[in-house]
Amino acid sequence: DIQMTQSPPSLSASVGDSVTITCRASRSISNYLNWFQQKPGKAPKLLIYAASSFQSGVPSRFSGSGSGTDFTLTISSLQPDDFATYYCQQSYSTPSFGQGTKLEIK
Amino acid sequence: QVQLQESGPGLVKPSGTLSLTCVVSGGSISTSHWWSWVRQPPGKGLEWIGEIYHTGSTNYNPPLKSRVTISVDKSKNQFSLNLSSVTAADTAVYYCARKLFGPSYYYDYWGQGTLVTVSS
Repeated sequence: DIQMTQSPPSLSASVGDSVTITCRASRSISNYLNWFQQKPGKAPKLLIYAASSFQSGVPSRFSGSGSGTDFTLTISSLQPDDFATYYCQQSYSTPSFGQGTKLEIK
Repeated sequence: QVQLQESGPGLVKPSGTLSLTCVVSGGSISTSHWWSWVRQPPGKGLEWIGEIYHTGSTNYNPPLKSRVTISVDKSKNQFSLNLSSVTAADTAVYYCARKLFGPSYYYDYWGQGTLVTVSS
């Protein structure tokens, strides 16, 4: 099975900042990488699929990049609504998720 | 707009069987999508359980495979999860989700989740 490792586990930032979350796969997954946002008590929300494609309705301040084993999610100009937990997920083989990155307000 | 809604008992006894149903509305379950179950223990990350196609084909997460059965009822536009021999480690919020095929495979619609507690 493929292990997904996210870093950092948590992150403090201010409104207007730009942040980057990293996700590493234990072996190559091509671009079979998705990013989700989850808020407390809510289901995950798809942000990015296929490493860099925007899900409909997602603000353009979210962007994804990478291929193979290393991927990043960047959020530019943080808004109050962006403070949440973010998960990467690979769909190359048996689906698996990263452990999450909690983005908190500084 | 597709909507998914989970339902089932919120409390299951240890060694018993957890049974949940996900009703799909706003679209047919008999489309070219796979229908999935994902769970999240309180305060922890997400774990994929398995999936089913409307033909009845299934895929399961290997660590859970011996205890999981996912079935589909096309006449009711719903699919179900059975997880047997449960322990406290199976306490989690259980989500159903739709998997879409594209340049990647991804989950675009989710239910709101239902908490299942395993306790005597």
